[in-house]
Amino acid sequence: DAGVIQSPRHEVTEMGQEVTLRCKLISGHNSLFWYRQTMMRGLELLIYFNNNVPIDDSGMPEDRFSAKMPNASFSTLKIQPSEPRDSAVYFCASSSPGQGPTEAFFGQGTRLTVV
Amino acid sequence: AQSVTQPDIHITVSEGASLELRCNYSYGATPYLFWYVQSPGQGLQLLLKYFSGDTLVQGIKGFEAEFKRSQSSFNLRKPSVHWSDAAEYFCAVGAHAGKSTFGDGTTLTVKP
Repeated sequence: DAGVIQSPRHEVTEMGQEVTLRCKLISGHNSLFWYRQTMMRGLELLIYFNNNVPIDDSGMPEDRFSAKMPNASFSTLKIQPSEPRDSAVYFCASSSPGQGPTEAFFGQGTRLTVV
Repeated sequence: AQSVTQPDIHITVSEGASLELRCNYSYGATPYLFWYVQSPGQGLQLLLKYFSGDTLVQGIKGFEAEFKRSQSSFNLRKPSVHWSDAAEYFCAVGAHAGKSTFGDGTTLTVKP
């Protein structure tokens, strides 16, 4: 398996534009997590899904952010409109069903720069 | 609320020397604890995890960690560091590997 695949790897956009980040889960995994990493705030969990259903979105910063799982293997994180303070590296991670602390597999991240 | 403290922002060790990275946690129940490594421009990779049982946990790449409930610690160790170990290391606590609270990370520099 190729692992968790994120696209694009880098995105530079102007303030006010819509940005869509994409994530393909590992086959067979049923949990999906979106994280944001910045120097100031470290790694923050934005939202996570289980079996395509959003379970906890308390980390989503504001209404400009939205995430979807249109099917079991794919997710998007959208920012509309984008702002310079959204600049960060966004990671998605997936994990398989199981008891106990199943491992989360991270993608390589999307580095977003909003100018 | 759960939290993780990694007291050392940056550590430098010589190649071949031993390494210990500190992690202290706060969690209301029996914790699940994780150590991840992040190389520049890469995602996080799980080194090891503690769920229950033996408090000394072996991981990949020669790393181990010891869970000490009395000290609320889960320190990561390696007996002999290699130059390729230079990276950022994150300790995390939570009920699920993905839904975890991460520490701020410790950057490891390895001197030749």
